[in-house]
Amino acid sequence: QVQLQESGPGLVKPSETLSLTCTVSGGSISSYSWNWIRQPPGKGLEWIGYIYYSGSTNYSPSLKSRVTISIDTSKTHFSLRLNSVTAADTAVYYCARDSGDYFDSWGQGTLVTVSS
Amino acid sequence: QLVLTQSPSASASLGASVKLTCTLSSGHRSYAIAWHQQQPEKGPRYLMKVNSDGSHTKGDGIPDRFSGSSSGAERYLTISSLQSDDEADYYCQSWSTGIRVFGGGTKLTVL
Repeated sequence: QVQLQESGPGLVKPSETLSLTCTVSGGSISSYSWNWIRQPPGKGLEWIGYIYYSGSTNYSPSLKSRVTISIDTSKTHFSLRLNSVTAADTAVYYCARDSGDYFDSWGQGTLVTVSS
Repeated sequence: QLVLTQSPSASASLGASVKLTCTLSSGHRSYAIAWHQQQPEKGPRYLMKVNSDGSHTKGDGIPDRFSGSSSGAERYLTISSLQSDDEADYYCQSWSTGIRVFGGGTKLTVL
């Protein structure tokens, strides 16, 4: 069974870049889309974007100008970069897998706080 | 624009049944959705996909107490024989080419 694990700094300063990695184990990264989703404290889920295993991407229109999702050449992990962060970007960040439609596997999430 | 609408809260008694609703926006009533459960302080878990004809595909290990159905633009999640650990937030999710969308979530309280 595939497992996903997020990792990265838990604290980022305002105006800097948030960087997270999702490591995929127990399954192939091929033939799926790999997503980032976030959840601000006490709020609902927000889709950020995804990368297809071939490298093509799609992003939420509301975040598109600040987001980059990449996948590594050995294809065992994918990453999120969100630049020019503010306090509004404080959230638990999840990675998740989908096969073109619904998210069938989720990571456990990692809290990122934006604060000086 | 694909939008999913959920009631913010629902409640039902221990051992009873509850039906949660997710409504698809105009022009999207043929779309399938997925239901995800998020227990307190945990990450979401995929429950099932519900198609427009009411058929549904559950995730691994999801009990028979959980079922899905459809009517028009509405997609439902029914939980029977409610247990205390069913108290959670339930999110519906759908998709179109290049996008993924969540509903606002329903907080289920088990009384």
